[in-house]
Amino acid sequence: EADIYQTPRYLVIGTGKKITLECSQTMGHDKMYWYQQDPGMELHLIHYSYGVNSTEKGDLSSESTVSRIRTEHFPLTLESARPSHTSQYLCASSEFGTGPEQYFGPGTRLTVT
Amino acid sequence: GENVEQHPSTLSVQEGDSAVIKCTYSDSASNYFPWYKQELGKRPQLIIDIRSNVGEKKDQRIAVTLNKTAKHFSLHITETQPEDSAVYFCAASYGNQFYFGTGTSLTVIP
Repeated sequence: EADIYQTPRYLVIGTGKKITLECSQTMGHDKMYWYQQDPGMELHLIHYSYGVNSTEKGDLSSESTVSRIRTEHFPLTLESARPSHTSQYLCASSEFGTGPEQYFGPGTRLTVT
Repeated sequence: GENVEQHPSTLSVQEGDSAVIKCTYSDSASNYFPWYKQELGKRPQLIIDIRSNVGEKKDQRIAVTLNKTAKHFSLHITETQPEDSAVYFCAASYGNQFYFGTGTSLTVIP
């Protein structure tokens, strides 16, 4: 089934650890996004990608990095997790072009102790 | 960059009444305006969208209106039901980025 997947769904980790949040989509979308969202609050764009080997920082880069080696895969890495990184991370994808719908993944809820 | 403001932040209505959520945007180049519904603990899902060449769009109990001159757009939900309770986000888009509003928590009281 065409969808967008995120793993892990929940993660509790200690300060200073390196973590990678996985995002994969099976819809063949060119554009992919990472958002940070506290529960019920606004979405902050962290990174986005237009396609393979293309990555851009959003308004909230949050000391993270991304890569886009394959169309379907857009992982987010935190080199050194901090308690301020505690939040929900949503991955999204859309077709190339102006105005197509963004499809969101189920999210990863991250807690840094 | 684009700036999207959304009001109100919380909204309570009686079941069967209408609910209206308003958003303004700053960049006249924005040409796509989606609305997302996010239920507690779930992912945002598109409920309706409108492009800048259209002034109004309706889908059953949900409608969106766009005023390009004033740079504002609104979500209208009629005959509200308890399952409409959720957080609603507006967004404005031009090109490859989406700029989201701060969300409206809608509660429909049975």
